[in-house]
Amino acid sequence: QVKLVQSGAEVKKPGASVKVSCKASGYPFIGYYLHWVRRAPGQGFQWMGWIYPKTGETDYAQEFQGWVTMSRDTSVSTAYMELSRLRSEDTGVYFCARASDIAYMDVWGPGTTVTVSS
Amino acid sequence: EIVLTQSPVTLSVSPGERATLSCRASQSVSNFLAWYQQRPGQAPRLLISDSSNRASGIPARFSGSGSGTDFTLTIDSLEPEDFAVYYCQQRRYWPLTFGGGTKVEIK
Repeated sequence: QVKLVQSGAEVKKPGASVKVSCKASGYPFIGYYLHWVRRAPGQGFQWMGWIYPKTGETDYAQEFQGWVTMSRDTSVSTAYMELSRLRSEDTGVYFCARASDIAYMDVWGPGTTVTVSS
Repeated sequence: EIVLTQSPVTLSVSPGERATLSCRASQSVSNFLAWYQQRPGQAPRLLISDSSNRASGIPARFSGSGSGTDFTLTIDSLEPEDFAVYYCQQRRYWPLTFGGGTKVEIK
């Protein structure tokens, strides 16, 4: 069964960093792009970027460049998304999603809630 | 970036009826448009890719059409599990963008 399992909810203070993990199973991890998408409260989905696990290549949305880092550990089929210098506006649910066709997301993780509050 | 505008925001439909959802792009995205369904408390599920291709395991009552700037998702004979929020997403241009969603509710 193809599955993405994400790490648990996080509460962070402004200025801190958060690292969310996404463990894949049921398919060849290195063969599919993996995207990260954010859903802030009362807002729509916002694409953050992708990582290609086979090579580690990444591409970030312009507004996240400089403060998001996507990485992977192929030995444990896990991708990571780290967001630094957190602000209250970064509160939301962060999803990882496998892309079946580079940019259509056919398998999604359950989401990780990140709350940024002083 | 491409702005996707979905309408209506809320659609009230009776079970067994047809629902027609719209997604309009701020400029042509050719046929590079997907539709997702999100039920409460769940992650989104891919329904349609490239405007009209049903994803694996998606029932035939879901169909998509359109190209350029205007797209439609049609759900024939709504089942109870179809009452959810539906989103469109384009992949013609980076960054990927999503529509704001249409909530299909029970009338």
